[in-house]
Amino acid sequence: DAKTTQPPSMDCAEGRAANLPCNHSTISGNEYVYWYRQIHSQGPQYIIHGLKNNETNEMASLIITEDRKSSTLILPHATLRDTAVYYCIVRVHPVMDSSYKLIFGSGTRLLVRP
Amino acid sequence: GAVVSQHPSWVICKSGTSVKIECRSLDFQATTMFWYRQFPKQSLMLMATSNEGSKATYEQGVEKDKFLINHASLTLSTLTVTSAHPEDSSFYICSATLSSYNEQFFGPGTRLTVL
Repeated sequence: DAKTTQPPSMDCAEGRAANLPCNHSTISGNEYVYWYRQIHSQGPQYIIHGLKNNETNEMASLIITEDRKSSTLILPHATLRDTAVYYCIVRVHPVMDSSYKLIFGSGTRLLVRP
Repeated sequence: GAVVSQHPSWVICKSGTSVKIECRSLDFQATTMFWYRQFPKQSLMLMATSNEGSKATYEQGVEKDKFLINHASLTLSTLTVTSAHPEDSSFYICSATLSSYNEQFFGPGTRLTVL
């Protein structure tokens, strides 16, 4: 099962910041928080990831609370092309295996309004 | 980011036939590839993890004899849906990663329709 909970849907106006929350209260100390998004009928696209510090890249910013039990993805100036399902994922390392799995939850459907 | 391709992008087949889907990492060598399935209006469900040169590890509830996975090289993994039935109709997505410390890069997906 996914270790994250997200609101099923959100909307924001074009040009405004979109703030997408995620709860991961059972996260372990060495588990990362990853964000992906999926535009309709396409494969997921990597956005950003972090462990405990806030992170920023050309797409978004990731704010992780000090207790690491929740995080927020921020799209600073949302455009219509940002309409997608956004997935917050805690990266799981299976025991005795060097690879890792991404377990997708239900995600948040973000609608950017003109 | 790195590029992962899938072929075909869509396929329609008759019930009882087998369908092969290819997943390729185009500009990097993928030590691990993953296969997911996504039904309409649902999230991605991990089916199996595939490491080059070894047998795939299937998630609970996924039939390994139904969904054959081959990862013969560092740039190619294949998923064969054997004796496909209408309930196998779905969006199949692969992803690839260079190592356990890198993010997964996803392919564009393959839409399978079984008549």
